Amino acid sequence: GAVVSQHPSWVICKSGTSVKIECRSLDFQATTMFWYRQFPKQSLMLMATSNEGSKATYEQGVEKDKFLINHASLTLSTLTVTSAHPEDSSFYICSARDGTGRSELFFGSGTQLSVL
Amino acid sequence: EDQVTQSPEALRLQEGESSSLNCSYTVSGLRGLFWYRQDPGKGPEFLFTLYSAGEEKEKERLKATLTKKESFLHITAPKPEDSATYLCAVQYYYGGSQGNLIFGKGTKLSVKP
Repeated sequence: GAVVSQHPSWVICKSGTSVKIECRSLDFQATTMFWYRQFPKQSLMLMATSNEGSKATYEQGVEKDKFLINHASLTLSTLTVTSAHPEDSSFYICSARDGTGRSELFFGSGTQLSVL
Repeated sequence: EDQVTQSPEALRLQEGESSSLNCSYTVSGLRGLFWYRQDPGKGPEFLFTLYSAGEEKEKERLKATLTKKESFLHITAPKPEDSATYLCAVQYYYGGSQGNLIFGKGTKLSVKP
């Protein structure tokens, strides 16, 4: 299957600071990437769809000014959590389709964000 | 209303004790149903895609089946390394285009030696 690399794996930051998470497709080009958020014992919730060369599409209830998404190339999407607060602490995961027309998503390893 | 419901929430098995996990869905116009395995602190790992009722897929000790209302993930003679959370997701046609995946909350499987 396609390989999606995500880093960092975990990050601890102080309240009010910003954190950037990177997501790369290693062996394929991804015009679209997806950012999910997961709380303990909860479903993966889609936050936004990242489109290469254009603005991201955010799901209802997700603050686009807090969660900045940049998809600057066909292999890289970044999620920046701005002015992070403790309630932003969560597990963030990116994913992409492999470009062959298959429907399944391939996921990165996730980033555990802890805001103190 | 949950569109994807997985049961049980947690399942404890002895090594070699076969069982099944359930994923029921209420969406119409199903485009695909997906099974993933997720280990603690990791992203989901793709297992299977099922597209139509009656379809079955197998991989080692796992077999996934699909009906019009639900899917089962059968685990035959599980081993401790099969311990993980198993996630089910559905994709449906939305507005004439490819819809996003909707995930269930998962079933946490523990296999004791």
